[in-house]
Amino acid sequence: DARVTQTPRHKVTEMGQEVTMRCQPILGHNTVFWYRQTMMQGLELLAYFRNRAPLDDSGMPKDRFSAEMPDATLATLKIQPSEPRDSAVYFCASGLTTGSSRNTEAFFGQGTRLTVV
Amino acid sequence: AQSVTQPDIHITVSEGASLELRCNYSYGATPYLFWYVQSPGQGLQLLLKYFSGDTLVQGIKGFEAEFKRSQSSFNLRKPSVHWSDAAEYFCAVATSASKIIFGSGTRLSIRP
Repeated sequence: DARVTQTPRHKVTEMGQEVTMRCQPILGHNTVFWYRQTMMQGLELLAYFRNRAPLDDSGMPKDRFSAEMPDATLATLKIQPSEPRDSAVYFCASGLTTGSSRNTEAFFGQGTRLTVV
Repeated sequence: AQSVTQPDIHITVSEGASLELRCNYSYGATPYLFWYVQSPGQGLQLLLKYFSGDTLVQGIKGFEAEFKRSQSSFNLRKPSVHWSDAAEYFCAVATSASKIIFGSGTRLSIRP
């Protein structure tokens, strides 16, 4: 059963620490999304990649957040230094984009619940 | 700019009653539209999608949605809800660069 795998599922860290969240997209998918979900802001798109290249990371605070795809089977989202306002659930999603780029259906992981104290 | 509006934050319906969740989008070209469902503590699961063709699309779990270009709407419907349908529902639109933008969600509660 193909699925997007995110680790860790839960993370509690102190303010100022570095946080790394990992995502294994579904094998063969070429598009990866990172979303942040909070009660106040809902689902915000932070960044997304196509064939491992970043297409848009305009939703991401550049000073502390970074997203990469070291290879096709791993996407990472790092926060350094973390702040209490970063507390949220972070979702990774992957999809297969073919032909028209708009028909990408996103498959979501179960998320990483981050708490920064 | 592309956007999705879900005007109802929370809806409660009785079990067995019909359901309609509203979604309005803003997009200059023919939109690609989705409905997702999220159960507590879980990720989002795709219910259905509209890319082209028949404006009434069928999805999983007995859901359907109708695309109405004249009203810029893509409302989700179900003829008879079950207690297990209680969840949060998100409408989304894909942009020309396959960026997927979500609405703020509608929380559905089921009255026994």
